[in-house]
Amino acid sequence: DQQVKQNSPSLSVQEGRISILNCDYTNSMFDYFLWYKKYPAEGPTFLISISSIKDKNEDGRFTVFLNKSAKHLSLHIVPSQPGDSAVYFCAASANTGFQKLVFGTGTRLLVSP
Amino acid sequence: GAGVSQSPRYKVAKRGQDVALRCDPISGHVSLFWYQQALGQGPEFLTYFQNEAQLDKSGLPSDRFFAERPEGSVSTLKIQRTQQEDSAVYLCASSLGPGTSYGYTFGSGTRLTVV
Repeated sequence: DQQVKQNSPSLSVQEGRISILNCDYTNSMFDYFLWYKKYPAEGPTFLISISSIKDKNEDGRFTVFLNKSAKHLSLHIVPSQPGDSAVYFCAASANTGFQKLVFGTGTRLLVSP
Repeated sequence: GAGVSQSPRYKVAKRGQDVALRCDPISGHVSLFWYQQALGQGPEFLTYFQNEAQLDKSGLPSDRFFAERPEGSVSTLKIQRTQQEDSAVYLCASSLGPGTSYGYTFGSGTRLTVV
């Protein structure tokens, strides 16, 4: 039972263009959502998060959008850079007293010069 | 150190062998998590410590998996009688506190291969 789904295993984008990574979830108890970036042989690093009381959060080139009714969130990267090439994981947590994360399977982003 | 340190980075174990994976969290971090990441998958929660107390071990796949954090700092994940399906990257993460306002910092992981 995959509670967090990233249906696109990979995405290729040209440098300077927008990258849009999508994530869907099924558990209505999730109230906090995060995006992590992972390079090979490294642990995931936190990118950006959003609480369920918001529908948008922006940090520099990164913006996360949350559509609670559709149980869908997306990460926009504008403009995309070659250094953004990595695997991006969507994660979610419910208010259980501590931040137990449920991850998606990841989307590999390739940004070409 | 400045980050979460995990050792060894790579471990090859023969099926049936016991292994111990170590995690050194960031100094002062109260919360410590273990995740298992199989090839092509996202990390999956194994267990959670708040200081030395193991508050959630619901993700441990079997009773062959055991984790401890006796002094509230370093943690060890032990897998007894390893099997091929245990092959994965084991990630440790720590944070200042349990709530969502505290971000996780992940270590680089231990890649376990059971042959």
